[in-house]
Amino acid sequence: AQSVAQPEDQVNVAEGNPLTVKCTYSVSGNPYLFWYVQYPNRGLQFLLKYITGDNLVKGSYGFEAEFNKSQTPFHLKKPSALVSDSALYFCAVREGSDNYGQNFVFGPGTRLSVLP
Amino acid sequence: DARVTQTPRHKVTEMGQEVTMRCQPILGHNTVFWYRQTMMQGLELLAYFRNRAPLDDSGMPKDRFSAEMPDATLATLKIQPSEPRDSAVYFCASGTGHMNTEAFFGQGTRLTVV
Repeated sequence: AQSVAQPEDQVNVAEGNPLTVKCTYSVSGNPYLFWYVQYPNRGLQFLLKYITGDNLVKGSYGFEAEFNKSQTPFHLKKPSALVSDSALYFCAVREGSDNYGQNFVFGPGTRLSVLP
Repeated sequence: DARVTQTPRHKVTEMGQEVTMRCQPILGHNTVFWYRQTMMQGLELLAYFRNRAPLDDSGMPKDRFSAEMPDATLATLKIQPSEPRDSAVYFCASGTGHMNTEAFFGQGTRLTVV
């Protein structure tokens, strides 16, 4: 069974500082890893994904995440936070043995507040 | 600009009433998900369709919830009868079904059952 943990409910960071939103996962097969962001009163918006290839994944709005096969963290990072990055962030994992898709399992979410 | 469209955006209804939420997936997407978001439970999968057939609806209370795809351009989620504990934001998402692709979410339907 697959599972996703986001150990922090809330992360506060000052504008201009680097930010990290933590995620750890558990899968039994090859992992497909995703990050989504949710702004108030909006749906989830895709940020980035790891499927295969380069371990450092770059996504929208300057976000990135690093996959390490020997470990399970897939933390979301950004070198310099903006106030507009304040939102709810979800890590998700997808696992399956065939090429035709299984469900996304989402973590509980982490609320990021970037302080001016 | 392709997007998943959900209607209505907001719904307030009395306990016991029937509620129907609609979703238009992105054209060409063959996979549709229904999620429910609450403060307590986070994002929960209710149902998952591929090529209009339900693959997983284990997260859906079967006695009152039903999900269908009458055609490739419409997915519906129905609650009958509704209860106050059904109050939540319901999201529809669509995708191409391949493991390495992301799902695209609609804006959600905020349901309040009083």
